Amino acid sequence: NAGVTQTPKFQVLKTGQSMTLQCAQDMNHEYMSWYRQDPGMGLRLIHYSVGAGITDQGEVPNGYNVSRSTTEDFPLRLLSAAPSQTSVYFCASRTPSRGGRDEQFFGPGTRLTVL
Amino acid sequence: LAKTTQPISMDSYEGQEVNITCSHNNIATNDYITWYQQFPSQGPRFIIQGYKTKVTNEVASLFIPADRKSSTLSLPRVSLSDTAVYYCLVGDRNQGGKLIFGQGTELSVKP
Repeated sequence: NAGVTQTPKFQVLKTGQSMTLQCAQDMNHEYMSWYRQDPGMGLRLIHYSVGAGITDQGEVPNGYNVSRSTTEDFPLRLLSAAPSQTSVYFCASRTPSRGGRDEQFFGPGTRLTVL
Repeated sequence: LAKTTQPISMDSYEGQEVNITCSHNNIATNDYITWYQQFPSQGPRFIIQGYKTKVTNEVASLFIPADRKSSTLSLPRVSLSDTAVYYCLVGDRNQGGKLIFGQGTELSVKP
């Protein structure tokens, strides 16, 4: 299993540009989430999904859109990039434990710089 | 969702035992306590999870008192490679997809 994969690894955008960060998982996990991590800070939840077709907002959703058309994929769209969105973006997936261990798996991250 | 409070940073030396305490005063009955470790430039990874009393695995122990309003992650005999940020999370593991990370504790292990 590849686990959680993210593309691209690095991206530089100009203010006002839009782009999509890709995230995929091959573990058949129901839950997927997007976090951002600014330098020296903890992770902040942007959006999350509890299944295909179901998404919800996290702590910092403004400026981002998500969709979940399949179980495997959970892309994050930046509508109009701003310098304040310069950050490292992590995608994660997990499944309801139903009595077992509840472990969230993270991708390697996308380092985004907005000029 | 229960809010968590941890020390921002801790220092230790190789070979020592490190204990990181997390406060979660408004933990709910169905909430579990989970700890993650994050190295620079990597995503967090699961360390340990528990509901009450003590849980031990190959890398750490988790101590949870009877009132469950706090928990302590114990790392035995740390090495330089244990230098990382450690996050405490509280949530119902059987429902919901919303996992909120706090600030975390930056552990620095010195030779």
